Amino acid sequence: EDQVTQSPEALRLQEGESSSLNCSYTVSGLRGLFWYRQDPGKGPEFLFTLYSAGEEKEKERLKATLTKKESFLHITAPKPEDSATYLCAVQAPDSSYKLIFGSGTRLLVRP
Amino acid sequence: GAGVSQSPRYKVAKRGQDVALRCDPISGHVSLFWYQQALGQGPEFLTYFQNEAQLDKSGLPSDRFFAERPEGSVSTLKIQRTQQEDSAVYLCASSPITGISNTEAFFGQGTRLTVV
Repeated sequence: EDQVTQSPEALRLQEGESSSLNCSYTVSGLRGLFWYRQDPGKGPEFLFTLYSAGEEKEKERLKATLTKKESFLHITAPKPEDSATYLCAVQAPDSSYKLIFGSGTRLLVRP
Repeated sequence: GAGVSQSPRYKVAKRGQDVALRCDPISGHVSLFWYQQALGQGPEFLTYFQNEAQLDKSGLPSDRFFAERPEGSVSTLKIQRTQQEDSAVYLCASSPITGISNTEAFFGQGTRLTVV
């Protein structure tokens, strides 16, 4: 069964304390892995798409990496405004439009 | 408009009541998606439109759920005879191309449905 598992469920960091979020997936033939940020009461906001093992993408304090079984979202020197839920999703193998989401990691960055 | 707009933002329905949730996608976007997000969970796919054609409704939980996009722009998700398990946030997203590959979908803020 195609599945996306994110860990940890929740993470508390002190401002400036770098860490990583994990997304492990089981899907036959990965066609794309997506990272989204979701603030309370809002819809997911696109961050990155990764397509092949070894690929990396960066945006400000965030860097996403991909292996054959998992993806990491590295947060360097986080700020309180980075507090949000981070969602990982994979493109369903039998579809050009369907995403399979994980349950997310709730990140809280304290000043 | 500037983004995907959904209305109402909040809806409280009595069990058994019918509800209609509206999505205004970004102008010109070909693809439109509906997702259901339960509390503390990630979104789950419900249905996909390419222009006015509903190409996939495999995620709709039951025949009480119905979606339409008659003119290829605004979409409505209708839930008949609501039940408590229908309580969730319903997210709409649109994309400028067919499918989602190689681009991102822009999500609306969602409609939070509470069935009492």
